[in-house]
This record gives sequence, C-alpha cells and structure tokens, in this order.
Amino acid sequence: AQSVTQPDIHITVSEGASLELRCNYSYGATPYLFWYVQSPGQGLQLLLKYFSGDTLVQGIKGFEAEFKRSQSSFNLRKPSVHWSDAAEYFCAVGARNAGNMLTFGGGTRLMVKP
Amino acid sequence: KAGVTQTPRYLIKTRGQQVTLSCSPISGHRSVSWYQQTPGQGLQFLFEYFSETQRNKGNFPGRFSGRQFSNSRSEMNVSTLELGDSALYLCASSLGGGEGQPQHFGDGTRLSIL
Repeated sequence: AQSVTQPDIHITVSEGASLELRCNYSYGATPYLFWYVQSPGQGLQLLLKYFSGDTLVQGIKGFEAEFKRSQSSFNLRKPSVHWSDAAEYFCAVGARNAGNMLTFGGGTRLMVKP
Repeated sequence: KAGVTQTPRYLIKTRGQQVTLSCSPISGHRSVSWYQQTPGQGLQFLFEYFSETQRNKGNFPGRFSGRQFSNSRSEMNVSTLELGDSALYLCASSLGGGEGQPQHFGDGTRLSIL
C-alpha cells in the first residue's frame, strides 16, 4: 500500500521569502501525485498534479513541484511567499488501478511572518 | 459553475444516533469520494462511488456506508455514532471513471458527537 510523509508539521517563513515543503511517498510504481491547500474552515483546493512526463509541474498561485523518482519525493516550491499563502498544505498520492482514491500526508501548516 | 456542495455544514449528534450527510458534485462529475479528517488521524479515505457503484472502500467499520444516486449526488451514513466519529467529513468529485483524476472538494460537514 502507498504512504505519504510530510516531515515538517509546521513551517514559518517571512513574507517575500522562498518556500519549499517536503513530501516523500512510498509506492511500488510511479504514482499520481497531488498538492492541495486547505484554509481554516474550508475544503481542499488543488494546487497542482503530476501524472507523467515533465517532472517539473506548474500550478496555481505561483506554486510548482518537482517529481524526483530516485528520491521518492514531490516537493512543493514557491519563489516568494505572500501572507495569503498561510494555510495547511497536503501532499497526496493516488495509486494506479485504484480509481480516484487518495492517500494523504499529515499536512504542513505554513505560517507567514510580515 | 457551482462547486461541490455539502449539507449540512454543521451537525451535532449524540452517541448511538445515526446521521446522513449529503454531497452534490460539480455538474457533469460522475465520481464522488468521501474522506474523514480528524486532528489525530488526518485525512482518511472512506469510499468512492462512480455510476452508482462503490468502486473503492477505505478501512472503516461497516457503520460507515454510502450510496450514489443516478444524478451523481451522494450520501454517506454513519450508524451507532461513537465519540471518535467527531470529524470533518469531506466530499470530493471528479469528472469521470478514470484513475488519478484531480478531485474537487467541498467545504465539508463538521460532525460533533456529544
């Protein structure tokens, strides 16, 4: 079965600084990979997804993520963080031949200092 | 285009009762998945329905059940409620019957068990 680890529970960055959120997965083949963001009291919003092909994927709100097969990682990056980016971020894995079922990491809560 | 709609937004029940939560997917979406979100266990997959058939099921007891109607709307039911069922229940829809499709989440139903 697949699993996802987000090693950082909390991260604080200054507004305007760069951001990298880590995600490691365990799966026997190339998975489907997603990053979602959740603001308080709301559902999850899809930031970006990786299915195959180019390992650097661009998403909404200026986010990007890079799939590294050798490291089983799919880290999320943003060059310059805005105060409105403060939220909880979830990495998720979908397995092949498993419909749309997702396995989520534990999440990383991002705080942005002014 | 309207997003995923979940009703009710908040619900308070007592132990032993049962509850039904409703989810209306994005128009045209035929796959509906349900997730439970708690502080301790994070986001966990409950089940996925496509074309009125359960396609995948997570590791939850039989007290948790669901169904999907011909218009793709879905309901989940929890019987004999326990304190540990207190959670945010999220519904997500995706377009079709493929795998690994991006899912669009509703804002959830927050269920509190007294």
